[in-house]
Amino acid sequence: AQKITQTQPGMFVQEKEAVTLDCTYDTSDQSYGLFWYKQPSSGEMIFLIYQGSYDEQNATEGRYSLNFQKARKSANLVISASQLGDSAMYFCAMREGGSTGFQKLVFGTGTRLLVSP
Amino acid sequence: EAGVAQSPRYKIIEKRQSVAFWCNPISGHATLYWYQQILGQGPKLLIQFQNNGVVDDSQLPKDRFSAERLKGVDSTLKIQPAKLEDSAVYLCASSILVGRTTEAFFGQGTRLTVV
Repeated sequence: AQKITQTQPGMFVQEKEAVTLDCTYDTSDQSYGLFWYKQPSSGEMIFLIYQGSYDEQNATEGRYSLNFQKARKSANLVISASQLGDSAMYFCAMREGGSTGFQKLVFGTGTRLLVSP
Repeated sequence: EAGVAQSPRYKIIEKRQSVAFWCNPISGHATLYWYQQILGQGPKLLIQFQNNGVVDDSQLPKDRFSAERLKGVDSTLKIQPAKLEDSAVYLCASSILVGRTTEAFFGQGTRLTVV
């Protein structure tokens, strides 16, 4: 079964607008973490934001925020005020396992974001 | 703080040849991951080490892939013999357990082309 689902292969947004990238996940663990990574064309994976399953507030990091809806098992990334440099692949990832266990980090298939002037 | 180092950055080999990739994680990071990322897809976990022990290698094609992490620091991933479908970027990542957060830091990857 797919653990992380990203249903949007590609998204387009105009500069300075906000965009939401969807991510749903599947786990039976109570303790887990959700991550978003950005992968520009150069190939490196850049960590953007983290949400823990026990965190009551949605995570925010600058222009990035994570819309965490635990009951729906969704962890959507919101990028506000898009910039041309935001054009990249975006991956949602989940870490399963308890805080003392050996946690696996699994990725979705990604969403390619293109920001136009 | 130095990041995750990987080498080589690029490698082109013929099918049935052997190849090895090297990874040096961030100092003090106990967990090390090797991922395979085929063009247009998300990274797929091949193997995960905790210190020098393997904790998950369920998706490693063990008939041709092997990995080791001697002394719980550097790691090597080997493919022998390579197939065309092994063409991909091989990403190494490391992480340290901090409470419930274990952010993984990635290297720049090794792009393998099998011809």
